[in-house]
Amino acid sequence: DTEVTQTPKHLVMGMTNKKSLKCEQHMGHRAMYWYKQKAKKPPELMFVYSYEKLSINESVPSRFSPECPNSSLLNLHLHALQPEDSALYLCASSLHVFEYEQYFGPGTRLTVT
Amino acid sequence: GQQLNQSPQSMFIQEGEDVSMNCTSSSIFNTWLWYKQDPGEGPVLLIALYKAGELTSNGRLTAQFGITRKDSFLNISASIPSDVGIYFCAGRSSGSARQLTFGSGTQLTVLP
Repeated sequence: DTEVTQTPKHLVMGMTNKKSLKCEQHMGHRAMYWYKQKAKKPPELMFVYSYEKLSINESVPSRFSPECPNSSLLNLHLHALQPEDSALYLCASSLHVFEYEQYFGPGTRLTVT
Repeated sequence: GQQLNQSPQSMFIQEGEDVSMNCTSSSIFNTWLWYKQDPGEGPVLLIALYKAGELTSNGRLTAQFGITRKDSFLNISASIPSDVGIYFCAGRSSGSARQLTFGSGTQLTVLP
């Protein structure tokens, strides 16, 4: 099983709202990632977790706050977003950080109004 | 930083035709991954390559890790309508910056 699940599938939020994106994998992977993807562009790395610790933050604004409660779960907390933050947010995982195959979830389509 | 050039940017082909796309990098990679992405969905891993010269097949798909370790290609044989989508290559180097570098994608359209 190479499944990464993400909820919700779609999210519409105002600029003053607080919301969270969730990601889960049960493949025993110890590395998890958040990516942002604009239409017809490749995914852009945002955060990397290795063994539940934040390993990389690609200079992401603080209105995005990641959290890794355990080895299977990854959250992305959103607060005071801007319309330009509207995008497809993808979660991915791999056995170890930056090694082997990286599997993506189906994504959350976020619209900020 | 690392750069990946993926070509072609888009392709329009007839059903049944073969397709070829490739990626070249400015630096040596030790891993090449090929993904397919349907609209509104996440990328799906098609093929992973780990050794220079490696040739790997997955059904009608064949990918190769270039001997120079700076390029990779993906071939699709006998295309069908469900092959439509965006294909991304992604490479990983052995240096300090080991996150995946993605190509810009190839948009494939299969005409009936």
